[in-house]
Amino acid sequence: GAGVSQSPRYKVAKRGQDVALRCDPISGHVSLFWYQQALGQGPEFLTYFQNEAQLDKSGLPSDRFFAERPEGSVSTLKIQRTQQEDSAVYLCASRSSVTSYNEQFFGPGTRLTVL
Amino acid sequence: RKEVEQDPGPFNVPEGATVAFNCTYSNSASQSFFWYRQDCRKEPKLLMSVYSSGNEDGRFTAQLNRASQYISLLIRDSKLSDSATYLCVSPRGTGGFKTIFGAGTRLFVKA
Repeated sequence: GAGVSQSPRYKVAKRGQDVALRCDPISGHVSLFWYQQALGQGPEFLTYFQNEAQLDKSGLPSDRFFAERPEGSVSTLKIQRTQQEDSAVYLCASRSSVTSYNEQFFGPGTRLTVL
Repeated sequence: RKEVEQDPGPFNVPEGATVAFNCTYSNSASQSFFWYRQDCRKEPKLLMSVYSSGNEDGRFTAQLNRASQYISLLIRDSKLSDSATYLCVSPRGTGGFKTIFGAGTRLFVKA
């Protein structure tokens, strides 16, 4: 079956541009996570959705980062006025339930490069 | 101190060797953990869940030591295909719905 998909796979932005990253979770998955992964580091939690509700956004680095999941399915992570330090791989993951002990399934990520 | 800490390695081992990684965590309320595997430029994929004292799956054994607050991953009879980064994961950080990943331990298995 279809896994988690993300688009675009690669994005190059000039400093100051706005970008939007899309995540299509596995159909029916309740939980959705966004992570930021810098080179040589583990994924860093950004935000969590349970259906359409954003229950935790404590990992968003600044108010330039905004995420939404308006219909409880597809999610978009938006970064305004991109900075060079935003360069990273942005991973989306979905989970079938709210139970934290179930597996998260990851998408292939979007590699963002800010020049 | 980070909530989940791992030795970054790299661990360089010959085929057939046994290798073990440790991961320490600071949130004593955490009930279970995961080991994920991440290949270069790929997404993380679940390797094992760790509940209660431990879990075994073929060549892989994960153990949880609550008293000392660490989990371990043991790989027996290493294969070339085991070369990857192994991420220790706590599914619930202190407060909220955070999932906390360690920085990962790199393993290189050589012929």
